[in-house]
Amino acid sequence: GDSVTQTEGPVTVSESESLIINCTYSATSIAYPNLFWYVRYPGEGLQLLLKVITAGQKGSSRGFEATYNKETTSFHLQKASVQESDSAVYYCALVPDTNAYKVIFGKGTHLHVLP
Amino acid sequence: DMKVTQMPRYLIKRMGENVLLECGQDMSHETMYWYRQDPGLGLQLIYISYDVDSNSEGDIPKGYRVSRKKREHFSLILDSAKTNQTSVYFCASSLFPGQANSDYTFGSGTRLLVI
Repeated sequence: GDSVTQTEGPVTVSESESLIINCTYSATSIAYPNLFWYVRYPGEGLQLLLKVITAGQKGSSRGFEATYNKETTSFHLQKASVQESDSAVYYCALVPDTNAYKVIFGKGTHLHVLP
Repeated sequence: DMKVTQMPRYLIKRMGENVLLECGQDMSHETMYWYRQDPGLGLQLIYISYDVDSNSEGDIPKGYRVSRKKREHFSLILDSAKTNQTSVYFCASSLFPGQANSDYTFGSGTRLLVI
């Protein structure tokens, strides 16, 4: 079936360091699903961070970026220099186009950024 | 301000009691969802509502039911709560599920403890 696997947390980095959170997907229902990164800050609901619907393209937001790689079926989240305010839980997700009502989430990666 | 509002934010119930979780959205979105999240697991879909009185089971519907009598309001009901239903529950809505121009908007979650 369709699934998402991402870096298990917690991940701890110091402010101004670089970050990568790995995400790989399996989409048996369709070759090229839509891919998303969501973020949940403490006490808040999930927010869309970025999305890419075309293989080969890159999405970016708030200094984060992720490239949709169909060859490696990956959608890793990267940031060159993290800030303490980036501390949150990050979720990789996919929507199989054949069932667009269903979002399949990864387990989430808890990021701690040390000041 | 477009948002999804969940009530209550925190709830403690005894095993066997009935539980009502409320969710409202002010965006006239047709589709609404209920998810639960547990430690080490991704968000699990409980129910989808495509519109008023048009609901469909998600991946883990057992022990839950839903009600959608108005487009802006979607309730999750636990009849005779069980301790394994202790979780964080998220409500979400979307306009055009899965499409690039439509995002999922999530509420802040309801933390339910069943003792």
